[in-house]
Amino acid sequence: NAGVTQTPKFQVLKTGQSMTLQCAQDMNHNSMYWYRQDPGMGLRLIYYSASEGTTDKGEVPNGYNVSRLNKREFSLRLESAAPSQTSVYFCASSGGQANIQYFGAGTRLSVL
Amino acid sequence: QKEVEQDPGPLSVPEGAIVSLNCTYSNSAFQYFMWYRQYSRKGPELLMYTYSSGNKEDGRFTAQVDKSSKYISLFIRDSQPSDSATYLCAMSAGNNRKLIWGLGTSLAVNP
Repeated sequence: NAGVTQTPKFQVLKTGQSMTLQCAQDMNHNSMYWYRQDPGMGLRLIYYSASEGTTDKGEVPNGYNVSRLNKREFSLRLESAAPSQTSVYFCASSGGQANIQYFGAGTRLSVL
Repeated sequence: QKEVEQDPGPLSVPEGAIVSLNCTYSNSAFQYFMWYRQYSRKGPELLMYTYSSGNKEDGRFTAQVDKSSKYISLFIRDSQPSDSATYLCAMSAGNNRKLIWGLGTSLAVNP
């Protein structure tokens, strides 16, 4: 049982380049999330999808777009990467009343 | 004021010590309380989950919720070097509402 799978694990971009971070879950969860984690800032929600076909902004959505491709997959796109987007990105999924979230291993992104 | 406050530490203890990690919160609607553990360069993983007030025990770990004081705690007994990690609290009001996260407390258990 893989849980939440994120690709790639590492990425280096130049300023202005674009890329898509992929996330897939095999737990049949309705909800999926993208977070970024920076030193001293904790986990900050970028976007989330409460169910297939819906997406909503979190607290730091600027510079990002998302696509909920189907129930399993939720991708995060950086259209024009900036150094401020250097971070570790985590995808998570959840199901049920308590909203317990299960995380992927993360993507370490550096924007030069 | 943040909805969830957590002292980031770092906290350094000798092996075998009892560790107390805490979070305070301001939203009285929170009903679900979680503790996640995050090892270096890994994703957070659920350690314990509690609904409403009370205690929950799992091996060396005990989670406590005091809703009257808006205060939650995680106790680690007989701490081990393998417990060295960042511990994040998270909570929600239920009904599929978003989790609200603490900043995390960095713990080092020294052999």
